[in-house]
Amino acid sequence: ETGMTQSPATLSVSPGERATLSCRASQSVSTNLAWYQQKPGQAPRLLIYGASTRATGIPARFSGSGSGTEFTLTISSLQSEDFAIYYCQQYNNWPWTFGQGTKVEVK
Amino acid sequence: QVQLQQSGPRLVKPSQTLSLTCAISGDSVSSNSLTWNWIRQSPSRGLEWLGRTYYRSKWDNDYAVSVKSRITINPDTSENQFSLQLNSVTPEDTAVYYCVGVRGGLFDYWGQGTLVTVSS
Repeated sequence: ETGMTQSPATLSVSPGERATLSCRASQSVSTNLAWYQQKPGQAPRLLIYGASTRATGIPARFSGSGSGTEFTLTISSLQSEDFAIYYCQQYNNWPWTFGQGTKVEVK
Repeated sequence: QVQLQQSGPRLVKPSQTLSLTCAISGDSVSSNSLTWNWIRQSPSRGLEWLGRTYYRSKWDNDYAVSVKSRITINPDTSENQFSLQLNSVTPEDTAVYYCVGVRGGLFDYWGQGTLVTVSS
């Protein structure tokens, strides 16, 4: 099973600032890496797939990069609605696996 | 637009069976492009994929190793829904359970989630 490790566990950021989240895979997942956003009381929502492609309706301030085992999600200028938990997920190696999440909180 | 609506008991006694149903609208449980999955989420386990059912000229299932001896996921074509049964539950099975439609490895369509508590 491919382990997914996210860092940091919690990221404290001021509104308007940039946030950078990391995700590392225990073996190569090529670019078959997705990012999800989860707000309290809601199901996760797909943000990014193919490591860098935004899902339908996702604002341009969200961007993803990386390949192989190292990936990054960047939120260029945090809005109030972006404070949430973010999960990475690989879909290259069966079974699909999720990271443990990074909580982005208000500084 | 695919929508998933979950139903089922929120409280289950230890050693009994957890049963949830997920009704699909906007697509078919017999879809050739989607698989129908159950995931659970808890503080200790995070997001844990449990299993799936899907149709590709015949019905098939895959289950997580961690629950393989206790889980059954069944499609219901007459009602366009699928179900989860998890046997012999313990308090460690307490979690929010989600049904999810997955396309190409992407968890696209989520149910609303059901907090199931295992307690006597």
